[in-house]
Amino acid sequence: SAVISQKPSRDICQRGTSLTIQCQVDSQVTMMFWYRQQPGQSLTLIATANQGSEATYESGFVIDKFPISRPNLTFSTLTVSNMSPEDSSIYLCSAGQGANEQFFGPGTRLTVL
Amino acid sequence: GESVGLHLPTLSVQEGDNSIINCAYSNSASDYFIWYKQESGKGPQFIIDIRSNMDKRQGQRVTVLLNKTVKHLSLQIAATQPGDSAVYFCAEGYTGRRALTFGSGTRLQVQP
Repeated sequence: SAVISQKPSRDICQRGTSLTIQCQVDSQVTMMFWYRQQPGQSLTLIATANQGSEATYESGFVIDKFPISRPNLTFSTLTVSNMSPEDSSIYLCSAGQGANEQFFGPGTRLTVL
Repeated sequence: GESVGLHLPTLSVQEGDNSIINCAYSNSASDYFIWYKQESGKGPQFIIDIRSNMDKRQGQRVTVLLNKTVKHLSLQIAATQPGDSAVYFCAEGYTGRRALTFGSGTRLQVQP
């Protein structure tokens, strides 16, 4: 299984600022995804991070708000832009080689004041 | 502690008993299913998966049952231990999509 790390592990940010979250995988993987988990809730897919091309966003999520990069097969970033308190959440990166094989990072706990 | 799972349904069991966690899925086209365990302050941890061409799969102390007729999935944990206390999520996917759709989750509390 892939080992996934995320940075930062948590942050407290001011309204209107932006935060970039990094996701590093210890091996090359085909697929990388970004999810959001709001307090007390399940995981919601934000986007699929595509290597060498633009990310594929789910309904309700847009590139201007959540720009994503994936420069290679082991690394991706998610930026939460122009933050508001409603963006307070846990942001999770997942990665895997197969359709039924996805492993998650520890998450980034974001609080927006 | 973390806020994950505060508002989720809770299953409370005695240590040593068997636990059964249920999940209803939505997409009849889903061809694989995964159970994840999420402990407080951590990301989801892969437990076991099952393909739609199977109705049962066993792992170490865990068994997943799939009933495609009623779109129902269950996770059975044998001899539940305090370390099994966590929030459990089922997730579904299909090969053409690759990403997962998660169920709402169940908190498992193991009483000593």
